[in-house]
Amino acid sequence: GENVEQHPSTLSVQEGDSAVIKCTYSDSASNYFPWYKQELGKRPQLIIDIRSNVGEKKDQRIAVTLNKTAKHFSLHITETQPEDSAVYFCAARNYTGANSKLTFGKGITLSVRP
Amino acid sequence: EAGVAQSPRYKIIEKRQSVAFWCNPISGHATLYWYQQILGQGPKLLIQFQNNGVVDDSQLPKDRFSAERLKGVDSTLKIQPAKLEDSAVYLCASSLGLAGGPWNEQFFGPGTRLTVL
Repeated sequence: GENVEQHPSTLSVQEGDSAVIKCTYSDSASNYFPWYKQELGKRPQLIIDIRSNVGEKKDQRIAVTLNKTAKHFSLHITETQPEDSAVYFCAARNYTGANSKLTFGKGITLSVRP
Repeated sequence: EAGVAQSPRYKIIEKRQSVAFWCNPISGHATLYWYQQILGQGPKLLIQFQNNGVVDDSQLPKDRFSAERLKGVDSTLKIQPAKLEDSAVYLCASSLGLAGGPWNEQFFGPGTRLTVL
């Protein structure tokens, strides 16, 4: 089955700086890669996703890049703000249909220092 | 639109007791998921329903966990008997399913925090 790994487990940046969070996956058949943000005590929420036929996707201050050859994808947050502080989960899925499983990484805690 | 609803939000039980969680997905969402999120880890899929049928329960500990979605809408997840290692947040999520195409988003509920003493 799929195995998704995130390193490191914590990341601290100064407000205004950029943050990059990396994930690796094991199943070369995976073709859908979402990123979820989970604030303390709240539900995970999708912030951006990318499909395997695209190398990069951007939405305002966040972007995701995908390297299928190396089987890794990264979340990029520019001009970080204190409200970006949260746990970020990457996930991978082989979308052969609507019934395939989403496998999550363990999460990275991002702290933005004011 | 209303989000995914779950109850209760918190539950404390002793080991070997039974517990049940309830989930009401977003209206019209055919696919419903139950995840277990242990502290410091990402959500792990326990079971996935498409309408009232089970699609994937490969990671559900079937000796103690059961789930049903009899009418294809609400769902309940039960643990009987509970163990200490079942302490976790149980998240319900829903998505449009086949009607939404292959890339439809999963929406999560607020979760039920279970503590087993």
